[in-house]
Amino acid sequence: AQSVTQLGSHVSVSEGALVLLRCNYSSSVPPYLFWYVQYPNQGLQLLLKYTSAATLVKGINGFEAEFKKSETSFHLTKPSAHMSDAAEYFCAVTSRSSASKIIFGSGTRLSIRP
Amino acid sequence: KAGVTQTPRYLIKTRGQQVTLSCSPISGHRSVSWYQQTPGQGLQFLFEYFSETQRNKGNFPGRFSGRQFSNSRSEMNVSTLELGDSALYLCASKSTGGGSTYEQYFGPGTRLTVT
Repeated sequence: AQSVTQLGSHVSVSEGALVLLRCNYSSSVPPYLFWYVQYPNQGLQLLLKYTSAATLVKGINGFEAEFKKSETSFHLTKPSAHMSDAAEYFCAVTSRSSASKIIFGSGTRLSIRP
Repeated sequence: KAGVTQTPRYLIKTRGQQVTLSCSPISGHRSVSWYQQTPGQGLQFLFEYFSETQRNKGNFPGRFSGRQFSNSRSEMNVSTLELGDSALYLCASKSTGGGSTYEQYFGPGTRLTVT
């Protein structure tokens, strides 16, 4: 079975500060991992994905995430927060099978203070 | 390629009625999944269809049903609506072909309000 835990349902940072959103996963098989972003009243948009090619993954809007197998983590970071980054972020895991469900975390709401 | 489209975008229904939501996946995607999103319960998986067959199912009552057509378009039906069914319903499609990494692409959602 697979699962995802996002630590912190709400994170608030100042504009220009480092953004760190935490995600830990559980998987008995090598996983694929994703981060999605959701703006109010919109669908989820794929930010980045880990598919084993490289442990440090770069995504859109300056975000990146590092896959750490020893820590079963896939934390999302951005060096300098922008007001437009305020949104909800979801971490997700699936296995390397087309028939597997994608399991989503409970989400982290990111607020940016001016 | 065009993205995932969902119709209608907004819907208001009365308790006891039934509703049908529609989803058109990205061209070439044969897998379509549906999710319910509410402030209290977050993002919850309803079901996945692949090649017109339900492949995975979440923990929802039988009032929630779906189907998929030969062109991969999918519909979701909710019968005997309850106030608690008010939510954003999201559809997502994914590629399952060779070389795919199975990420899902989401539509904008249908906002259902039950009064």
